[in-house]
Amino acid sequence: GQNIDQPTEMTATEGAIVQINCTYQTSGFNGLFWYQQHAGEAPTFLSYNVLDGLEEKGRFSSFLSRSKGYSYLLLKELQMKDSASYLCAVKDSNYQLIWGAGTKLIIKP
Amino acid sequence: DSGVTQTPKHLITATGQRVTLRCSPRSGDLSVYWYQQSLDQGLQFLIQYYNGEERAKGNILERFSAQQFPDLHSELNLSSLELGDSALYFCASSPDPGLGADTQYFGPGTRLTVL
Repeated sequence: GQNIDQPTEMTATEGAIVQINCTYQTSGFNGLFWYQQHAGEAPTFLSYNVLDGLEEKGRFSSFLSRSKGYSYLLLKELQMKDSASYLCAVKDSNYQLIWGAGTKLIIKP
Repeated sequence: DSGVTQTPKHLITATGQRVTLRCSPRSGDLSVYWYQQSLDQGLQFLIQYYNGEERAKGNILERFSAQQFPDLHSELNLSSLELGDSALYFCASSPDPGLGADTQYFGPGTRLTVL
């Protein structure tokens, strides 16, 4: 079967750095997506990785290792507004998005 | 604002009733996806349409049906509603689902409450 694993919940301090991990087992791989979702709102696109390595976008970076079936989202200089759920999703061989259950990130002052 | 619109924003109805949720994709997007998200749960993929044709099916109940019209807007019909159908229903759209980098953009959602 196809599976995406993320921690259910993480807590971090304002101004700090946090790394949210995602491991996947899918039939084929056509890229990995990270989305941010604030409570009660729509998911918004953060990043897309298809090649191994680190993609940096301001305070957010996303890393991929295809051989390990592993990705992480790195959030720097955390702000209170970063409190949200972070969803990892992998596009399989049929170009279907397989979604993780999401990681709820709680930022404390 | 993603460019995807959904109506209505909120819907309150009774068990056994039928409702229709509407979605207009971003300009130029040919594919529409429907998702259900119950309270504090993950996104559950329901169904995908591409240029008017059903493309993929997820965990969609037989009481639920959808279609995509020639102008590319889509409707999700939910019938014989049960309390457990109360959830946020999201629509997303993307231009070309055959590309790996094709990105889904989500509408604001319809919050359905079944009493």
